[in-house]
Amino acid sequence: EAGVVQSPRYKIIEKKQPVAFWCNPISGHNTLYWYLQNLGQGPELLIRYENEEAVDDSQLPKDRFSAERLKGVDSTLKIQPAELGDSAVYLCASSFGIEYNEQFFGPGTRLTVL
Amino acid sequence: AQKITQTQPGMFVQEKEAVTLDCTYDTSDQSYGLFWYKQPSSGEMIFLIYQGSYDEQNATEGRYSLNFQKARKSANLVISASQLGDSAMYFCAMRGKTGANNLFFGTGTRLTVIP
Repeated sequence: EAGVVQSPRYKIIEKKQPVAFWCNPISGHNTLYWYLQNLGQGPELLIRYENEEAVDDSQLPKDRFSAERLKGVDSTLKIQPAELGDSAVYLCASSFGIEYNEQFFGPGTRLTVL
Repeated sequence: AQKITQTQPGMFVQEKEAVTLDCTYDTSDQSYGLFWYKQPSSGEMIFLIYQGSYDEQNATEGRYSLNFQKARKSANLVISASQLGDSAMYFCAMRGKTGANNLFFGTGTRLTVIP
């Protein structure tokens, strides 16, 4: 069974440029999460989807970040415009429902903003 | 609100020895779950073990066991018979009723296994 797929794995951009990350969850997983992991820190939730609905986006900086999961499967996280402080790893995870214990993580996208 | 504290930035262990990674938590929820994840240099978070707040027995998964002390609000990870491949970052996380299935992570402990 394929795991959570993320692309690209690495991205280097200049500040003020837009950037997008893509995530395909494990087949059948209706819950999808985007986490931000700063260097030396644990992941922090940005947004959680139940199917195509964003049910928790309280930590998403909405002035520059946006996300979508149009058909309740794969998802895109966008930053526009990117700032130097956005350099981090962006992790996507999925789970089967909200009661299931385990969240499965993808390998992440490492973003460097110059 | 949930809070996870990992006070050991780095730990060293001799190969084949056991090691304990500390984790304390704080929550006002009566029902919650505690997790440990491993993050190797490749970046992927790998689920290791889960303990529910109402589970009476400590969770075990192969060489991993979780020393759950509810009154002390601690959930330490014990790795037995350490292997070189265990060298990685280890994160303790909590899921509470507040925030549904959202995980709150600690700052992690970097474990280095010495041959």
